[in-house]
Amino acid sequence: EAGVTQFPSHSVIEKGQTVTLRCDPISGHDNLYWYRRVMGKEIKFLLHFVKESKQDESGMPNNRFLAERTGGTYSTLKVQPAELEDSGVYFCASSQGRSSYEQYFGPGTRLTVT
Amino acid sequence: GDSVTQMEGPVTLSEEAFLTINCTYTATGYPSLFWYVQYPGEGLQLLLKATKADDKGSNKGFEATYRKETTSFHLEKGSVQVSDSAVYFCALSKTTDSWGKLQFGAGTQVVVTP
Repeated sequence: EAGVTQFPSHSVIEKGQTVTLRCDPISGHDNLYWYRRVMGKEIKFLLHFVKESKQDESGMPNNRFLAERTGGTYSTLKVQPAELEDSGVYFCASSQGRSSYEQYFGPGTRLTVT
Repeated sequence: GDSVTQMEGPVTLSEEAFLTINCTYTATGYPSLFWYVQYPGEGLQLLLKATKADDKGSNKGFEATYRKETTSFHLEKGSVQVSDSAVYFCALSKTTDSWGKLQFGAGTQVVVTP
């Protein structure tokens, strides 16, 4: 069974540019989460999809971030325009069922904004 | 709000040494507690969990006990191996009202030398 995959693994962009991160969850997992770790600090929740619907987007830092999950399969997270403070590692995770304790994480995308 | 605090790293120790990583939490209600591990180049993996007070989670020689009186969930392993070198994250979740959204600590890097 394939795990959660993320693309790209690393992205370096200039301030003001746009970047789109992609996450492919484990097939059949309805829940998809995005998290971010900035500057070696704690991993922070960004948002949660149930299938194609946003269940909770309380962690999205501002309106420069846009997440989509068309068709309830893969998800994209777009940052436009990117700022220096957006640098960090973006993790995606998926799980099945509302009461699932285990989330399966992807390897993360390291975003560097210069 | 809810929060997780864990000891800062890096923690460097020799093979076969005893490892303890402290983790304390602040949360309303009755959270579930987790330890996730991130090996180099990989995504986070669930290491162990405990869902109620006095529960002990264990896996791969690691143990942690849910202590409600001290709001702690310290991770221990009696004899570490080089392969245990990784970043360890303590986390909590209140699955009853948050669909499994995880609140993480800052992570503790562990380096085990031969």
